[in-house]
Amino acid sequence: AQTVTQSQPEMSVQEAETVTLSCTYDTSESDYYLFWYKQPPSRQMILVIRQEAYKQQNATENRFSVNFQKAAKSFSLKISDSQLGDAAMYFCASFTGNQFYFGTGTSLTVIP
Amino acid sequence: DGGITQSPKYLFRKEGQNVTLSCEQNLNHDAMYWYRQDPGQGLRLIYYSQIVNDFQKGDIAEGYSVSREKKESFPLTVTSAQKNPTAFYLCASSNEGHSGANVLTFGAGSRLTVL
Repeated sequence: AQTVTQSQPEMSVQEAETVTLSCTYDTSESDYYLFWYKQPPSRQMILVIRQEAYKQQNATENRFSVNFQKAAKSFSLKISDSQLGDAAMYFCASFTGNQFYFGTGTSLTVIP
Repeated sequence: DGGITQSPKYLFRKEGQNVTLSCEQNLNHDAMYWYRQDPGQGLRLIYYSQIVNDFQKGDIAEGYSVSREKKESFPLTVTSAQKNPTAFYLCASSNEGHSGANVLTFGAGSRLTVL
């Protein structure tokens, strides 16, 4: 089975500052996709950003960007200009074959 | 608006009872998934279905059953054989069941508590 590892159970950031959430994955496949999902207190899972493994360019979505290091199998999420609404659980995930694999999540606190 | 509807949002069950969680999507997605979420364990796959009338076991299928009689619907039954059913259950769908532009869209979840 594929594994996705998030080594930071909890992180905190000052409002307006930048924070980076770490994720590593393990796959022998050459074709796969990587994702970051956000789960706020409402528990509704929301897609934050998506990266195709064959693309070298790092994906960005407004204040959210990734640092995709394919050789190192690393996929970190950077949140710039953090806002109170960014407080949530963040899950890293991979898609390969026909299944999604999720990490255990990082709980992000935003300090006013 | 297109999306996934899960019901009920909260459900209480006595030990020994079966309970069915509903999941309906109007996104015209082929693939549908059921995940269980427990604190500190992320999301674990229970069952998934890529086409109507076909489904596959995930990592923790024991004590659960599903059906996929219609493309839009993928109900999950938590049977009395599931030893620790208290959890948060998430239904999801994706636009392709195979390698492609897959993105999971989630429902709002169902919280099951066994009394």
